[in-house]
Amino acid sequence: AQKVTQAQTEISVVEKEDVTLDCVYETRDTTYYLFWYKQPPSGELVFLIRRNSFDEQNEISGRYSWNFQKSTSSFNFTITASQVVDSAVYFCALRMDSSYKLIFGSGTRLLVRP
Amino acid sequence: DTGVSQNPRHKITKRGQNVTFRCDPISEHNRLYWYRQTLGQGPEFLTYFQNEAQLEKSRLLSDRFSAERPKGSFSTLEIQRTEQGDSAMYLCASSLVSGSTGNEQFFGPGTRLTVL
Repeated sequence: AQKVTQAQTEISVVEKEDVTLDCVYETRDTTYYLFWYKQPPSGELVFLIRRNSFDEQNEISGRYSWNFQKSTSSFNFTITASQVVDSAVYFCALRMDSSYKLIFGSGTRLLVRP
Repeated sequence: DTGVSQNPRHKITKRGQNVTFRCDPISEHNRLYWYRQTLGQGPEFLTYFQNEAQLEKSRLLSDRFSAERPKGSFSTLEIQRTEQGDSAMYLCASSLVSGSTGNEQFFGPGTRLTVL
């Protein structure tokens, strides 16, 4: 079965702290894709990143970085020097090569306090 | 603005009524998806279209739910005989099938349905 687990329901940090959001996935497929989306209070899901199963290179984009480790089936997301505008719910999602549907985790609510 | 648009943004209805939602995808995108999101949960897949063909449907999509995408452009999602358990945010997304493998999906603002 395919599944995405985001064990952290809610995280609260003070501005400028670094924070890591965990994502663990399950799939038997050898080819798959992993995604992170941000859902701010306005409600619209915003695409952040896609990672292919055959590319384990980590990625950095500004204050955001992603750590993909197939050995532990994890795709963690780190925000460096967090800002109040980072407050949102963050979703990790999985897509198998055999289907175009996204399987989402239950999300992690991040609160960045000033 | 050329993103995914959804109408209406909010719908309040009485149990037993029919409702219809509309989604307009990003203009060059040929895949369109519907998801449902309840409070505190991640979105759950309902169905998707490639052009006008409905290619996959979730078991969540009961007989009371029907989706169409005539002419491969906008899509409608109809719920017949609504139940209180249908109350949720209904999200539409679109993507472009191309040589790339990821086909990231871009989401609209959603339609929030409340069934009284």
